[in-house]
Amino acid sequence: KNEVEQSPQNLTAQEGEFITINCSYSVGISALHWLQQHPGGGIVSLFMLSSGKKKHGRLIATINIQEKHSSLHITASHPRDSAVYICAVRRGVSEKLVFGKGTKLTVNP
Amino acid sequence: EPEVTQTPSHQVTQMGQEVILRCVPISNHLYFYWYRQILGQKVEFLVSFYNNEISEKSEIFDDQFSVERPDGSNFTLKIRSTKLEDSAMYFCASRAGTGGDYGYTFGSGTRLTVV
Repeated sequence: KNEVEQSPQNLTAQEGEFITINCSYSVGISALHWLQQHPGGGIVSLFMLSSGKKKHGRLIATINIQEKHSSLHITASHPRDSAVYICAVRRGVSEKLVFGKGTKLTVNP
Repeated sequence: EPEVTQTPSHQVTQMGQEVILRCVPISNHLYFYWYRQILGQKVEFLVSFYNNEISEKSEIFDDQFSVERPDGSNFTLKIRSTKLEDSAMYFCASRAGTGGDYGYTFGSGTRLTVV
């Protein structure tokens, strides 16, 4: 079983829709990261969470430590949001990030 | 916005050849990482580097891999004798510190193709 599970694997939405991507993890963590990977391959860090909720523009990330679950929300989605969204966790004092497989989001105009 | 710079963006090499992938981390960052992503698979940790030594490595990072920070700015990943299965996108990342307050900045990757 993967330590980090994301759902859905693929998501297609119409422009303007509210998007939710989920991440569950099976181990105790010190931090959870949401990242965005564009078709060219580059990875951009969106959020780092250890508790609660963070907001940046149209993106909102939440985490529930007790339930070992995090969500990434995109409000008023736009075609430029089309990318792969990846959840990754860091455990304890370990330096490594453990990645999920990603959710491929396509937003159609 | 400071960037992590990786060169080359794409490298093709013959099986058995040595390759060096180069990264210039953000200048005031202290922690450096290499990750790889085989096509269609998830990103995997290779190695972390701090204070001029490896702080953590994965089982993937065997004797054919090495890392170096030769001049205080570049951070390199060397693969001594490439195999076909080393074909992947390699990402360098850096952080200013450890702990929960410090995010990672990733480079745009080097696509390595071993033929």
